[in-house]
Amino acid sequence: GAVVSQHPSWVICKSGTSVKIECRSLDFQATTMFWYRQFPKQSLMLMATSNEGSKATYEQGVEKDKFLINHASLTLSTLTVTSAHPEDSSFYICSARFPGGEAFFGQGTRLTVV
Amino acid sequence: TQLLEQSPQFLSIQEGENLTVYCNSSSVFSSLQWYRQEPGEGPVLLVTVVTGGEVKKLKRLTFQFGDARKDSSLHITAAQPGDTGLYLCAGSTGGFKTIFGAGTRLFVKA
Repeated sequence: GAVVSQHPSWVICKSGTSVKIECRSLDFQATTMFWYRQFPKQSLMLMATSNEGSKATYEQGVEKDKFLINHASLTLSTLTVTSAHPEDSSFYICSARFPGGEAFFGQGTRLTVV
Repeated sequence: TQLLEQSPQFLSIQEGENLTVYCNSSSVFSSLQWYRQEPGEGPVLLVTVVTGGEVKKLKRLTFQFGDARKDSSLHITAAQPGDTGLYLCAGSTGGFKTIFGAGTRLFVKA
């Protein structure tokens, strides 16, 4: 299957700082990438759809000024959690949708805000 | 709003037992995927079904897509402790969105 690389795998940051998470599709071009948040023992919650060269589409209830998404190229999307607070601690996962329809996921980023 | 209902949400069984996980929707999907996720990792694609009525087998796992492409099932034969994990179904529409079920957390006891 296609490879999607997410970095970093885990990060600990101080409250009030910003954290950037990168999502790269290594062997295919992804015009669309997705960002999810997952709480312990729960399913994935779609946060936003990232479109190359245009603004991201955010799901209802997701603060776009808090979670900045940039899709600068066909292989890279970034999620920046701005002014992070402990309640932002979570597991963040990106995925890139293959032209055939399947979505391939990154390995996830565990964010802990202290 | 498109929904994909997955059941059961939690399943704890003994090694060697069989089980079936269901995903149901009122929406028609162009394709449906099944993923397995282990703690601290991203979901890994198991299979994609595209054609109504399609059945795919992956060792002890059997996946079926409903005739109307609105539902799917995952059947595991003779479950093993290594099958423990979160199983997710996901439906793809003609647009760019992939809709996920709530997941089935499977625990297989040795």
